[in-house]
Amino acid sequence: ETGVTQTPRHLVMGMTNKKSLKCEQHLGHNAMYWYKQSAKKPLELMFVYNFKEQTENNSVPSRFSPECPNSSHLFLHLHTLQPEDSALYLCASSPRGLDSGANVLTFGAGSRLTVL
Amino acid sequence: SQQGEEDPQALSIQEGENATMNCSYKTSINNLQWYRQNSGRGLVHLILIRSNEREKHSGRLRVTLDTSKKSSSLLITASRAADTASYFCATDVNDMRFGAGTRLTVKP
Repeated sequence: ETGVTQTPRHLVMGMTNKKSLKCEQHLGHNAMYWYKQSAKKPLELMFVYNFKEQTENNSVPSRFSPECPNSSHLFLHLHTLQPEDSALYLCASSPRGLDSGANVLTFGAGSRLTVL
Repeated sequence: SQQGEEDPQALSIQEGENATMNCSYKTSINNLQWYRQNSGRGLVHLILIRSNEREKHSGRLRVTLDTSKKSSSLLITASRAADTASYFCATDVNDMRFGAGTRLTVKP
């Protein structure tokens, strides 16, 4: 256990489904991140939230919708996905801004998404 | 845009040998970090080196930083089969972006 919990660990969904990924941290961190990891590709930073405010949105398609109700929880809502969206989705948190110069990320174990 | 880019993409060595991986980046940084990922799992932080440091050790890990060349290296000494994983670097600029990583295989 890293202190960052992602659920579900595995998800299979059809292209017309609506599902959500959940991330929870109890480390007292103020920043939370979503990354996408596809086979043989660099980790793609999708969204960043700092103190519940979105600070980064890297041209992610609107079929991915993040939600950060508080500093401990982060969701990624999924709808009308494409097969190429199949990937490992990683959540991370960090004490960004709380300790200057030491923005170390703690990752969850990931949610493996398969879109049929 | 990517900040850390690792080289080589893949590295295969025998147990007991040393493994060296390199990282290049593009802009000035405050610190650089190395992470490890076992297959299909989340990344785990290994070591952080600040821009005013040139070398740092942690157990069998040795990290160097050359800010003039915008590069860093990670050396794993006396490698073990359990070191088999992907290794990533990231800088603190532009929200912790990672490269494709170096896939290290240590053969028993």
